[in-house]
Amino acid sequence: DVKVTQSSRYLVKRTGEKVFLECVQDMDHENMFWYRQDPGLGLRLIYFSYDVKMKEKGDIPEGYSVSREKKERFSLILESASTNQTSMYLCASSFRLAGSDTQYFGPGTRLTVL
Amino acid sequence: GQNIDQPTEMTATEGAIVQINCTYQTSGFNGLFWYQQHAGEAPTFLSYNVLDGLEEKGRFSSFLSRSKGYSYLLLKELQMKDSASYLCAVLDYGQNFVFGPGTRLSVLP
Repeated sequence: DVKVTQSSRYLVKRTGEKVFLECVQDMDHENMFWYRQDPGLGLRLIYFSYDVKMKEKGDIPEGYSVSREKKERFSLILESASTNQTSMYLCASSFRLAGSDTQYFGPGTRLTVL
Repeated sequence: GQNIDQPTEMTATEGAIVQINCTYQTSGFNGLFWYQQHAGEAPTFLSYNVLDGLEEKGRFSSFLSRSKGYSYLLLKELQMKDSASYLCAVLDYGQNFVFGPGTRLSVLP
């Protein structure tokens, strides 16, 4: 059974705090992704990674950074959280050449920044 | 630029058939995916099309026309549990999944 797990389902942080969101997959996937999902805007790509220590900016990377030290783990970092980063954060993974292989999503982390 | 359009909301009656449309303009095309997402949960895979035509999977079917940049998801014999958001996504040449805004479907008794 394929599995993508995220470190927290719900998180509340204060403005200015450093926030770490962790994602782990057990499918030996090369590709990993971080999205945020907001009502009416759909899923927007923050960062993605095709391999260990590699990262690429997505559509909305400002205010975020990522780390991929091991193949199975992809971390999203908010250096200084702000209220406009309150959102649902979804991690996903897929094989390098996805083709008909879908992305698999984690359960999501609902982050509230006060 | 990348653009995927879907209707924002749809309503249908239990037992009916509903068609959710998706139009896309992306930098390359490696396939189109449909996902179902219940409120507060992660998206789950429903279907994949890479060639023109209809793919059928039980009560769900998905159609693709690459020349028109158009797809639809057809749900038959609607059930209350089909109330969810349906996301259309295109896999582009960069191996990135570009998502539409999602269509929220409400199934009424």
